[in-house]
Amino acid sequence: GENVEQHPSTLSVQEGDSAVIKCTYSDSASNYFPWYKQELGKRPQLIIDIRSNVGEKKDQRIAVTLNKTAKHFSLHITETQPEDSAVYFCAASRQWATNKLIFGTGTLLAVQP
Amino acid sequence: DVKVTQSSRYLVKRTGEKVFLECVQDMDHENMFWYRQDPGLGLRLIYFSYDVKMKEKGDIPEGYSVSREKKERFSLILESASTNQTSMYLCASSLSAQGKTQYFGPGTRLLVL
Repeated sequence: GENVEQHPSTLSVQEGDSAVIKCTYSDSASNYFPWYKQELGKRPQLIIDIRSNVGEKKDQRIAVTLNKTAKHFSLHITETQPEDSAVYFCAASRQWATNKLIFGTGTLLAVQP
Repeated sequence: DVKVTQSSRYLVKRTGEKVFLECVQDMDHENMFWYRQDPGLGLRLIYFSYDVKMKEKGDIPEGYSVSREKKERFSLILESASTNQTSMYLCASSLSAQGKTQYFGPGTRLLVL
């Protein structure tokens, strides 16, 4: 079945450094790729997404890149801040009617001040 | 502002008990989802519903059932709770069609003794 692999499972960076989280999906028909952020004790929230007809999307300090040929996509956070510390989940979807998502296993990002 | 609420934040049940987890959304969303969150396993879809009385199995439906009698309410039922169902349960809702943001509830942490 559909599968999304996410790496690394934990990532520790110094404040101001960049962080990159990578995901690989198995279903070549997947065409929508969101990223959710879950702060400690809080609910997951969408932070950015990308569709298969776009190779890159940016929103201030965060960006997502997509390589359809290789079936992988990445989240890039620049100039990291302590408030970026959270668990990040990537996801993939191919079902336009139901909006069903397949999530990765999550990356715990710790930004050290 | 989208609001998704869950009936309990914490729940302790005994093995064999029937458990009801309820989720309510106030944004007239067609789609509702139940996920289970476990460390290292990410968010796994249990069931989802795309309309009243309509449901579809997710990736891990065994041991669970669902009910959606009204558009705003989606219930997850553990027919006979087992210790391996100890977990964090997250409900989400979204408009229909791919690419619509899934809005999550605060989660219910269930402990089965």
